[in-house]
Amino acid sequence: DAGVTQSPTHLIKTRGQQVTLRCSPKSGHDTVSWYQQALGQGPQFIFQYYEEEERQRGNFPDRFSGHQFPNYSSELNVNALLLGDSALYLCASSLRWRGAQETQYFGPGTRLLVL
Amino acid sequence: RKEVEQDPGPFNVPEGATVAFNCTYSNSASQSFFWYRQDCRKEPKLLMSVYSSGNEDGRFTAQLNRASQYISLLIRDSKLSDSATYLCAKGYGGSQGNLIFGKGTKLSVKP
Repeated sequence: DAGVTQSPTHLIKTRGQQVTLRCSPKSGHDTVSWYQQALGQGPQFIFQYYEEEERQRGNFPDRFSGHQFPNYSSELNVNALLLGDSALYLCASSLRWRGAQETQYFGPGTRLLVL
Repeated sequence: RKEVEQDPGPFNVPEGATVAFNCTYSNSASQSFFWYRQDCRKEPKLLMSVYSSGNEDGRFTAQLNRASQYISLLIRDSKLSDSATYLCAKGYGGSQGNLIFGKGTKLSVKP
C-alpha cells in the first residue's frame, strides 16, 4: 500500500521564478492538504483540496495556488518566489468519512531553496 | 497569543528517564488534538491522537484538559530512538480539517 508520495524531493530556484510541486495521496484517500514548514517551525497550513476544489485556505498570499486532479493527486504552485518561500513543503492526505476528515498522513516533503 | 504553544525545549534526558511535554491551545472550538513525531529532515508522523479520557500506547500517554486548554505527552523509560522533535497539533472536525501545529519541542535522549 503506497503511502503519500511527493516530487521532487529537492528543488533550487531563484527569486521571481515559479515552481510546481506534486503530491499523490495514500491509496484510498480523497483529500489533500498542503503545509509549509520553515526551519525551526511547525508546519503551517496552506490549503486543502477535496473533490477538485479548494475547500480551506490558510494565511498565504495568492501567489500560492493549487489544483486537484480527478485521481486525487494534487499540485502546489508558487509564483514570484521570494527568499522567504524557502521551506519544506509537506503534502498530507486523508479520507473524508461522513463529512468528517480522518487522520492526515504526511508525505516526505519537497525541500525548496530560493536563492 | 499563538493558537498552539509548546514548551520551547530542547529536552536533554538520559536513557530510562520520564519526560513530559505540555502544549497549550486557544480557541476552545477545537475538537481534535494530536501528537506528531518528526525526525530530522523527515515528515511528521502521527504518534497519538488525544482523547478527553486520555490514552496510552505502551510507554506513551497523552492527556487532554479542555478546562485548562492544554494537552500533554508523557514518555516513560526513554529510549535513544525517542530522540526527535515532538509536535502538538489541533484540528477541527466536521467539513474542515486543517491542522494547526505548535513549533515543536526537540528531545535528545542520551546514553
